[in-house]
Amino acid sequence: NAGVTQTPKFQVLKTGQSMTLQCAQDMNHNSMYWYRQDPGMGLRLIYYSASEGTTDKGEVPNGYNVSRLNKREFSLRLESAAPSQTSVYFCASSEAVSGRLCEQFFGPGTRLTVL
Amino acid sequence: KNEVEQSPQNLTAQEGEFITINCSYSVGISALHWLQQHPGGGIVSLFMLSSGKKKHGRLIATINIQEKHSSLHITASHPRDSAVYICAVRFETGGTSYGKLTFGQGTILTVHP
Repeated sequence: NAGVTQTPKFQVLKTGQSMTLQCAQDMNHNSMYWYRQDPGMGLRLIYYSASEGTTDKGEVPNGYNVSRLNKREFSLRLESAAPSQTSVYFCASSEAVSGRLCEQFFGPGTRLTVL
Repeated sequence: KNEVEQSPQNLTAQEGEFITINCSYSVGISALHWLQQHPGGGIVSLFMLSSGKKKHGRLIATINIQEKHSSLHITASHPRDSAVYICAVRFETGGTSYGKLTFGQGTILTVHP
């Protein structure tokens, strides 16, 4: 099993460009998450999907959109990239959002630079 | 405000030393996670606990719900333990727990041979 995979690993964008970060998991998990990690701030939740067909905003959703394409895939889209979105983005998944099955498994991350 | 504080922010140790990293949180939680992030960025879940103590190899995690405090201990530390250790909690909201985690800033551990 590959676990949680993310593409691309690295990306450089110019201000105003758009792009989609892809995430897939092969653990048959119901819940998926997108985080960003910035120096000195810890991981912050952007959006999450408790189950296929549902998405909800997290702590820092502005400037992002998400799509839960199917149970395996959860994508994050930047419609008009800004330098403030320079960060490392992590996707994660868990079997459930609560209870003893909420342990999260993380992808390898995408390092995004917006010039 | 729901907050998670870790201490220390940076920790340097000699190989073989016993290490403790602390995590405090502000309000009631339903679960606490300890994560490890190695240079190169990958994040791995070490423990998830809601009470008591868990042990895995040289790693021990404890939680005191009344004091809103958790500790991660590493016995007989080794240079390969060098990493960032992150505490994350799932706060209880309106009596229903959600999967959303709030993360501490992390503790950078360096173990010298």
